[in-house]
Amino acid sequence: NAGVTQTPKFQVLKTGQSMTLQCAQDMNHNSMYWYRQDPGMGLRLIYYSASEGTTDKGEVPNGYNVSRLNKREFSLRLESAAPSQTSVYFCACRFGGGDTGELFFGEGSRLTVL
Amino acid sequence: GENVGLHLPTLSVQEGDNSIINCAYSNSASDYFIWYKQESGKGPQFIIDIRSNMDKRQGQRVTVLLNKTVKHLSLQIAATQPGDSAVYFCAEILNTGGFKTIFGAGTRLFVKA
Repeated sequence: NAGVTQTPKFQVLKTGQSMTLQCAQDMNHNSMYWYRQDPGMGLRLIYYSASEGTTDKGEVPNGYNVSRLNKREFSLRLESAAPSQTSVYFCACRFGGGDTGELFFGEGSRLTVL
Repeated sequence: GENVGLHLPTLSVQEGDNSIINCAYSNSASDYFIWYKQESGKGPQFIIDIRSNMDKRQGQRVTVLLNKTVKHLSLQIAATQPGDSAVYFCAEILNTGGFKTIFGAGTRLFVKA
């Protein structure tokens, strides 16, 4: 029972390159989220998926796209990476179905854009 | 607007002392709050939660207090231990058609042996 698994854990990109961060959860949760965490700041929501087949923008969606492939998987794509996207990215899931219940996080993916 | 923030960015306490971490929020419509702990190199982990119909909730060595009048949350850790050293985030859940968790900036807790 791995919980939330993110790949890759580390990635270095050049400006303009594209890449996809993968996230999978084995908790059978309905909602999935992508956050970014920058030094001195809290986690900021990029996109979320309240249930399979739906996605919605969070606070900082520009420069990103997401795909909720199935109930287990939620990927984050950077089409043309920029240095401002250097950050640690966290995927999370939540049971959903209401406002209560905590987020379960992956270990994070550290992305550097040169 | 959407804003969850913390009064103190860092807190240093002696092992065995009690710790208090504070948080201010501005979304009066939020009625559910969570404290998370994040250790170095890991994702945040749930510590304790509280709904707005409560003003206090206790867990194992932790207590969360909610003051809705001044929109203030606090996390109290009793008998702080070295393993409590981490960054602590308060978060509120907003219902915007889907449920979003909005985090504060975090407080780093140092526990001195």
